[in-house]
This record gives sequence, structure tokens and C-alpha cells, in this order.
Amino acid sequence: DQQVKQNSPSLSVQEGRISILNCDYTNSMFDYFLWYKKYPAEGPTFLISISSIKDKNEDGRFTVFLNKSAKHLSLHIVPSQPGDSAVYFCAGAMNTGFQKLVFGTGTRLLVSP
Amino acid sequence: EPEVTQTPSHQVTQMGQEVILRCVPISNHLYFYWYRQILGQKVEFLVSFYNNEISEKSEIFDDQFSVERPDGSNFTLKIRSTKLEDSAMYFCASSALKTGREQYFGPGTRLTVT
Repeated sequence: DQQVKQNSPSLSVQEGRISILNCDYTNSMFDYFLWYKKYPAEGPTFLISISSIKDKNEDGRFTVFLNKSAKHLSLHIVPSQPGDSAVYFCAGAMNTGFQKLVFGTGTRLLVSP
Repeated sequence: EPEVTQTPSHQVTQMGQEVILRCVPISNHLYFYWYRQILGQKVEFLVSFYNNEISEKSEIFDDQFSVERPDGSNFTLKIRSTKLEDSAMYFCASSALKTGREQYFGPGTRLTVT
């Protein structure tokens, strides 16, 4: 079951630069996407989401872009800070009942000073 | 800021034993979920719960698993007879929205089955 894929297991960027985390999905029934950040020994923390009727959503330093035709979304963090170092998961959700979130495998982001 | 809490943080049990993992969702949330993450793997959905009944469950959530909301605040996951492969982090989540958009996760319980 690879409905949500994050093909880059890790990403390293310097403080102040842009971090771009990518996510691809195969399930056309997803109509909502979410990004979560996870530190070791903690639960996923909700970051930002986007509905499939939009192509961009921005919240402070975080922007999510959605390309429905390519079934691709990305999370941009600008400027990146060392505290952003964590594992980032994208997740898809379907508008059917109390739907589950389907998570990708995560990308470990390391922001160096 | 309201948060989801889970107890215990770590549970060690022997194969075949029953375990109960406990969660206190955010107080005004009505939709509750359990997920698990086996070491090195993705976070996987187990079950969703609303209005005192299961609304959806995954194929992982077999007869060995059950969920309950015994009172107005707690939400529990019971594994009747644990197997080695049940070792994982178990996350509880809750949301205020029917379609489970923004789900808020607890810190997790690490279950180790020996």
C-alpha cells in the first residue's frame, strides 16, 4: 500500500535557506492533505493542510503547494531554522465518513546552523 | 493549549498478555482515532471512533483489538492477547471535525512485547 510516497528519506539544508519537502500520492479520492512534523519520542504535530480545491496554502514560514494533475504536493519552509529539524510526514484524507489519514514514510529534515 | 495525553508512555508486556493503552483526547473533540507506528515504518491507521462506536477500522484492527470510551474523558485501546508483532508506538488522536481533517496526536505509548 503506497498511496502516499515521500521518496526522499532525508534532506539537509542550512539555516536561513529554503527547505522543500516533496510528497506524491496515487489515490485520486484524496481531497485533503496534511503535513505533520514529528520529533523523536513525540507524537506527530499538525503543521499545515490544504484542500484539493486549492493549489496553495500559507501559514507563516510554511507553505504547501498542491499540483493535482501531477498528484504531487510540497511543503516549503522559509527561512529554515535549526528547530525545524524533525521528521516530516505528509498525509492524505478522503471525504468519506470519518476517514483515516494515510501517511507517507516521512522525510528527515536537518537544518544546520 | 489543549493537548491529547496518553498513558503509559512505555509498556512492556509478555506475549499473550492483555494490555490497555489509555488516552485523554482534547476535551471538546468528538472524533477519536488510534494509529500505530512500527519502528522504521510509516504511521498506520487502526480505528476511528465516534458517538460510542467504531466508525472505521483497518485490517490490522482484528478481533484482538477493541476500543472503548468508558467515561466522558478517556479513550482506551485494548489488545487482548499481545503478539511480538504488536510492538510499536501507539498514537491516539482526536479531532473536532467529522471528516477528521486536522487530527491532533498524543505523544504515544511505546508497547514492547517480549
